[in-house]
Amino acid sequence: ILNVEQSPQSLHVQEGDSTNFTCSFPSSNFYALHWYRWETAKSPEALFVMTLNGDEKKKGRISATLNTKEGYSYLYIKGSQPEDSATYLCAGRDNYGQNFVFGPGTRLSVLP
Amino acid sequence: GAVVSQHPSWVICKSGTSVKIECRSLDFQATTMFWYRQFPKQSLMLMATSNEGSKATYEQGVEKDKFLINHASLTLSTLTVTSAHPEDSSFYICSARATTSGINTGELFFGEGSRLTVL
Repeated sequence: ILNVEQSPQSLHVQEGDSTNFTCSFPSSNFYALHWYRWETAKSPEALFVMTLNGDEKKKGRISATLNTKEGYSYLYIKGSQPEDSATYLCAGRDNYGQNFVFGPGTRLSVLP
Repeated sequence: GAVVSQHPSWVICKSGTSVKIECRSLDFQATTMFWYRQFPKQSLMLMATSNEGSKATYEQGVEKDKFLINHASLTLSTLTVTSAHPEDSSFYICSARATTSGINTGELFFGEGSRLTVL
């Protein structure tokens, strides 16, 4: 996996709004896709690991889907809260080195 | 979950001096640790893979003599930026892959990161 992209770069939503953002990656030699949540001055926190096409994972109001054939994953946040404000990183792993290749992140700000 | 601690969080140094950053796994053993660098608005870029008891593996374009990595124990890896220059100013963050059975999902656990400013 040479390049992982994320969009949008940043996002401002009102409290209570639902939102989603995208991680895209080359579909060849795919191994796993990771989502992290990174709050300012803290360590990135693992949210999900997904490996199978069609995978859907959920943790509270946050869920993620995976499409390995077309090379994208969506992260959804339902009813955003100010505490959801963070940078959301995705990282891809391929079969070769299994190194993590990170996207630039989507910076989410939830306004009260 | 596994905890990784990184120190210092912030460091300012004069050009030409060396700076050491420590990365510790607090509640698990990490045979492999990773060092990343991040420039503003860019992705985390892997600099090197640190293996306990052996030499680090550096990514292409990363000077091994500039960024010295030591992984002398299963819980500690250090990154020393030698003869630092202003262009080395960046955000450095470490991560570890747990080897303890039960939490070895291949997941990475991150330190808090260190922001280096070289004057």
